[in-house]
Amino acid sequence: QAVLTQPPSVSGTPGQKITFSCSGTTSNFGGNPANWYQHLPGTAPKLLINNNNERPSGVPDRFSGSKSGTSASLAISGLQSDDEGDYYCAAWDDSLDGWVFGGGTKLTVL
Amino acid sequence: EVQLVESGGGLIQPGGSLRLSCAASGFTFTDHWMHWVRQTPGKGLMWVSRIDNLGTSTNSANSVKGRFTISRDNAKNTIYLQMNSLTAEDTAVYYCARKANAWGQGFDYWGQGTLVTVSA
Repeated sequence: QAVLTQPPSVSGTPGQKITFSCSGTTSNFGGNPANWYQHLPGTAPKLLINNNNERPSGVPDRFSGSKSGTSASLAISGLQSDDEGDYYCAAWDDSLDGWVFGGGTKLTVL
Repeated sequence: EVQLVESGGGLIQPGGSLRLSCAASGFTFTDHWMHWVRQTPGKGLMWVSRIDNLGTSTNSANSVKGRFTISRDNAKNTIYLQMNSLTAEDTAVYYCARKANAWGQGFDYWGQGTLVTVSA
């Protein structure tokens, strides 16, 4: 059972904007930012969002993040078929003294 | 170019031990904390263990604490994960990951992973 809660799946059509949700607690999101990762089949996970809403160099501005209270979200605009894969939220957890991940949301592009 | 290359995975019987390695290149190794993260079949990512840049401080997830030990050799730009008393629940792809230095930043580089299968 993952510490952060994500819906198991989401789907969209090319060009659409979709949003992923991630729910945490005060011990993680209460005092720490959210990071988001993309995990495409057969590849290493890739950091998409730092510090709630910062894109690392090379990440397209189609990807954006936000956090409010103990919930975070990732949005992808202009959905592309190459975006199909799994998306994970993560944060440091003060109570567990370690990093925690969500269970991941599988994106299907119809 | 930053590269992280894991090795040491394989098939191991329950109760056995295995040591994973992760060779790093393309960056100043001693500037970064390093981590192990695993993905179990059909499930998500789980943080396993971390070590500070000098190798003086470590911590692990409760599920592996007391069985897994992370270490690093800064002369060889390599981190290790010694895994003992393995169970089927430890079957996973193990990734090493570099933690970006600024607060709030995540794991900015990952290796391709090494598969550990615990089975009789």
